[in-house]
Amino acid sequence: QSVLTQPPSVSEAPRQRVTISCSGSSSNIGNNAVNWYQQLPGKAPKLLIYYDDLLPSGVSDRFSGSKSGTSASLAISGLQSEDEADYYCAAWDDSLNVWVFGGGTKLTVL
Amino acid sequence: EVQLLESGGGLVQPGGSLRLSCAASGFTFSSYAMSWVRQAPGKGLEWVSAISGSGGSTYYADSVKGRFTISRDNSKNTLYLQMNSLRAEDTAVYYCAKGRIPAAIPRDDAFDIWGQGTMVTVSS
Repeated sequence: QSVLTQPPSVSEAPRQRVTISCSGSSSNIGNNAVNWYQQLPGKAPKLLIYYDDLLPSGVSDRFSGSKSGTSASLAISGLQSEDEADYYCAAWDDSLNVWVFGGGTKLTVL
Repeated sequence: EVQLLESGGGLVQPGGSLRLSCAASGFTFSSYAMSWVRQAPGKGLEWVSAISGSGGSTYYADSVKGRFTISRDNSKNTLYLQMNSLRAEDTAVYYCAKGRIPAAIPRDDAFDIWGQGTMVTVSS
């Protein structure tokens, strides 16, 4: 059971928009930066969003992040087949003094 | 180019030990916190341990506390993970990951560079 809760899977058609939710608590998401990682099949994870809603250099602006209270969301617009991947949210937890990850969400582009 | 290259994985019997290494290049290694993150076969990401740039602060997941030790040699630009009393549930790909901000506190940081991973299998 992960400290951060994500839906196990989402699916949407090409060119559409999808959102992935990440629910936590005041000791993690509510008080600290939320980061999102993309893991393509067979590859190492890649930083997609940091500090709730900032994009690293080179990441497509089709990706966006947001946070409200103890929940965060990742949105992907203009879906493409190459977006099929596992997506993970993560944050530092002040109470546990550890990094916590969501269980991951598998995105399928129909 | 910023790079992380893990090594040291392999097959080990339950109760055994293994030391993983992560060689870093392309950045000022001593300025950044580093972490180990693992992924069991078919499962999600699990953070294992982190160490500050100086090595003065270390953090561990409860699942490995008392069995694993993270360390770094800034003169060699290398991160280590000493794993003792290994269990079947430690079987995973182990990634090393670099903190994004120099001298950052964990709550503000992120893992911006990841290695390719090294597989650890604990089995008799």
